[in-house]
Amino acid sequence: GESVGLHLPTLSVQEGDNSIINCAYSNSASDYFIWYKQESGKGPQFIIDIRSNMDKRQGQRVTVLLNKTVKHLSLQIAATQPGDSAVYFCAETPNTGGFKTIFGAGTRLFVKA
Amino acid sequence: GAVVSQHPSRVICKSGTSVKIECRSLDFQATTMFWYRQFPKQSLMLMATSNEGSKATYEQGVEKDKFLINHASLTLSTLTVTSAHPEDSSFYICSARGAGTGNTEAFFGQGTRLTVV
Repeated sequence: GESVGLHLPTLSVQEGDNSIINCAYSNSASDYFIWYKQESGKGPQFIIDIRSNMDKRQGQRVTVLLNKTVKHLSLQIAATQPGDSAVYFCAETPNTGGFKTIFGAGTRLFVKA
Repeated sequence: GAVVSQHPSRVICKSGTSVKIECRSLDFQATTMFWYRQFPKQSLMLMATSNEGSKATYEQGVEKDKFLINHASLTLSTLTVTSAHPEDSSFYICSARGAGTGNTEAFFGQGTRLTVV
């Protein structure tokens, strides 16, 4: 496989604070990026996406930032809630090779009440 | 969003036996489905791309004779883990993308927890 996922970094935040989760992607040919949330024992759940012709996109309580120069993505969660506790993955889809979705390493978010 | 369903959600099998996992797109047609494997505390690793009516494309290092993929219809792909061993125990997840949708969101199933004893 192409994704790297040997370790899961952890981010611990206080309920109500904002969370920022960062991700580096690898393929310059990627032009579509997605953030997923995965709860224990479940499949990935779509949060928000962004295309390479944008550098910012906002959803409900979430914002994704894309920096193509340094191949970096971030997910910002506003007013983090206990229900946000999960593992978050960024994923990239190169515009070649059948549009395979390739996952990044993931970050575990703990929200302290 | 569109719904992708996997079956079974959990399976336990004896070492040496084969196990089939189904991935169905319930409300859309999927010419392409993807199979992933996820070990504990790790990311999803792409195993193969399943194309309706043709052979699957496997990622480097994935044994095609061990992980048999069949995509016989636009709504169903199956992954068969043949001669399973304890090291095949993992969380297997499929995803599917609608026909002709290009580089867009792929929809994920809920995963199948395989335990080989």
